[in-house]
Amino acid sequence: ETGVTQTPRHLVMGMTNKKSLKCEQHLGHNAMYWYKQSAKKPLELMFVYSLEERVENNSVPSRFSPECPNSSHLFLHLHTLQPEDSALYLCASSQVSQGNYGYTFGSGTRLTVV
Amino acid sequence: AQSVTQLGSHVSVSEGALVLLRCNYSSSVPPYLFWYVQYPNQGLQLLLKYTSAATLVKGINGFEAEFKKSETSFHLTKPSAHMSDAAEYFCAVSPTGAAGNKLTFGGGTRVLVKP
Repeated sequence: ETGVTQTPRHLVMGMTNKKSLKCEQHLGHNAMYWYKQSAKKPLELMFVYSLEERVENNSVPSRFSPECPNSSHLFLHLHTLQPEDSALYLCASSQVSQGNYGYTFGSGTRLTVV
Repeated sequence: AQSVTQLGSHVSVSEGALVLLRCNYSSSVPPYLFWYVQYPNQGLQLLLKYTSAATLVKGINGFEAEFKKSETSFHLTKPSAHMSDAAEYFCAVSPTGAAGNKLTFGGGTRVLVKP
């Protein structure tokens, strides 16, 4: 596989469930990101991992817990979510260097909390 | 802090007409600038990027954008719209140098192409 792969593509979960989103990049990049995309709202940066260390956490509620076990994999663990957490969750990767060549995005996981 | 503003959340164009999507940025120094496209139920795909080389940047699918420092703008254009251009377009900005990996996105502009 190439690029950035996200699984599952769709997820419906109850507010008391625990689930995880998975992201895998095959580009040799050393930084990975989680974004939240809600209807009628700008893209929200949630977490940034650079060289497997979390370097940014934008005031995300603790019911979202990221994990980056290595430079190719990124997870977002979900528990006791709220209906307003329903959104498209996008993973991206990039190469941290002096230049910025942009991010490569996955196709996203469409999450519905019921 | 850097930011981008996209003027117009929705744009409607006729097939074959000019596509013009506006993006203005706010930054104390010239940043890196990007345009991304998102098709329904997909992630974002890079269209083109400005990284302080030529001010007129050509991208994929016939799109181009011009960096104008005096206007702090990076508008996206395509001379002739195609039905396949219907999508949402995002402008993004990042700082240059070693810190240049954080992207801040605009609110997006949804393009509708009429036959």
